[in-house]
Amino acid sequence: GAGVSQTPSNKVTEKGKYVELRCDPISGHTALYWYRQSLGQGPEFLIYFQGTGAADDSGLPNDRFFAVRPEGSVSTLKIQRTERGDSAVYLCASSAGREETQYFGPGTRLLVL
Amino acid sequence: GQQVMQIPQYQHVQEGEDFTTYCNSSTTLSNIQWYKQRPGGHPVFLIQLVKSGEVKKQKRLTFQFGEAKKNSSLHITATQTTDVGTYFCAARLSGSARQLTFGSGTQLTVLP
Repeated sequence: GAGVSQTPSNKVTEKGKYVELRCDPISGHTALYWYRQSLGQGPEFLIYFQGTGAADDSGLPNDRFFAVRPEGSVSTLKIQRTERGDSAVYLCASSAGREETQYFGPGTRLLVL
Repeated sequence: GQQVMQIPQYQHVQEGEDFTTYCNSSTTLSNIQWYKQRPGGHPVFLIQLVKSGEVKKQKRLTFQFGEAKKNSSLHITATQTTDVGTYFCAARLSGSARQLTFGSGTQLTVLP
């Protein structure tokens, strides 16, 4: 079956603009995670969904970041008023349950000019 | 900041040499996972260790979990050019946490 997919693969935007990043998890996976990875660093947790609800959003850096998963499948990470420091690879992962292996998507490489 | 420390940050080895990366935490971990990320790729799950002192092998890769469940290591015997990439350890820092906290990774270069 298909793995986790993310679109777009690359996004270039200007400072101050709004962006949306999409994640399509593995079919049937109830848990979905967003991470952010800067160059030379490990992925850093942003938010975790169990079903439709955000079970833990403690990793979101500020209120410019928001994520939704309205039907418990596809998720969208939304960043308002982008800043240059938001430039990173945004990774999405999904898992089948609470302790299951997380499967990562290819990521969206965001560049804020 | 990172609560899972990983060393070394970089390692260059000649093909055929062995390689080890170490992961340490100040807190006891319920389990630890290891991921490999190829250049330009995304993290790919390798293994999960759960038990104190556990040792698991995957071909040339040997994974260990410390007796106190605060440290772990990944050892590759006789490296090959296909082993190139960054190896991350990751852990849930509390029993209630679902998200993973990643180490900063060890970037392995294998010289032919």
